Amino acid sequence: QSALTQPASVSGSPGQSITISCTGTSSDVGGYNYVSWYQQHPGKAPKLMIYDVSNRPSGVSNRFSGSKSGNTASLTISGLQAEDEADYYCSSYTSSRGVFGGGTKLTVL
Amino acid sequence: EVQLVESGGGLVQPGGSLKLSCAASGFTFSGSAMHWVRQASGKGLEWVGRIRSKANSYATAYAASVKGRFTISRDDSKNTAYLQMNSLKTEDTAVYYCTRPGVYGSGTHYGYWGQGTLVTVSS
Repeated sequence: QSALTQPASVSGSPGQSITISCTGTSSDVGGYNYVSWYQQHPGKAPKLMIYDVSNRPSGVSNRFSGSKSGNTASLTISGLQAEDEADYYCSSYTSSRGVFGGGTKLTVL
Repeated sequence: EVQLVESGGGLVQPGGSLKLSCAASGFTFSGSAMHWVRQASGKGLEWVGRIRSKANSYATAYAASVKGRFTISRDDSKNTAYLQMNSLKTEDTAVYYCTRPGVYGSGTHYGYWGQGTLVTVSS
């Protein structure tokens, strides 16, 4: 499978909301409600932020939310904070292999 | 507490081999699938492959970019997963993470990650 498509970068000011999209196909994003999102700060391992499209693991701020429509999933971060500046990756279950998005760099202005 | 600790990275020449290890603790290793994910410097995450549990016949799957060159195995008695990398290419240079599915919902996400080990393929 090809990588899922994400915008290379997004930006927003503190307190604002941003949305990152993740577009796949009917074989991955569109075929299952199994999209997950990861946050990665420089030099650190990725951290799970959203699983199964819209669910937050314990300990993750409710400012993070996820959704899906057709072959496109989205991650929304509300009330942007400086600490949210990081790279974000989506991933989707497929029947055979793992697949990630290309990543989106979030800049908090 | 779940811990995943990778080791075995280093500098290797093109065409060479390297074997990475992922030592696990804090969970029932034998019942969990284990995945490897890599990240070249300044680039995104790339799924490398996975091995399922004994209950799922230790089934393996690989990314097209490494199939036929990389082999994932596990030793449940040692709570360790391995990534054997042969015929290495410069484009295999990356930080390699081991990761396991999380415990939430469908379990299809990567809930736990190691700190990564750097593999550099260069002459």
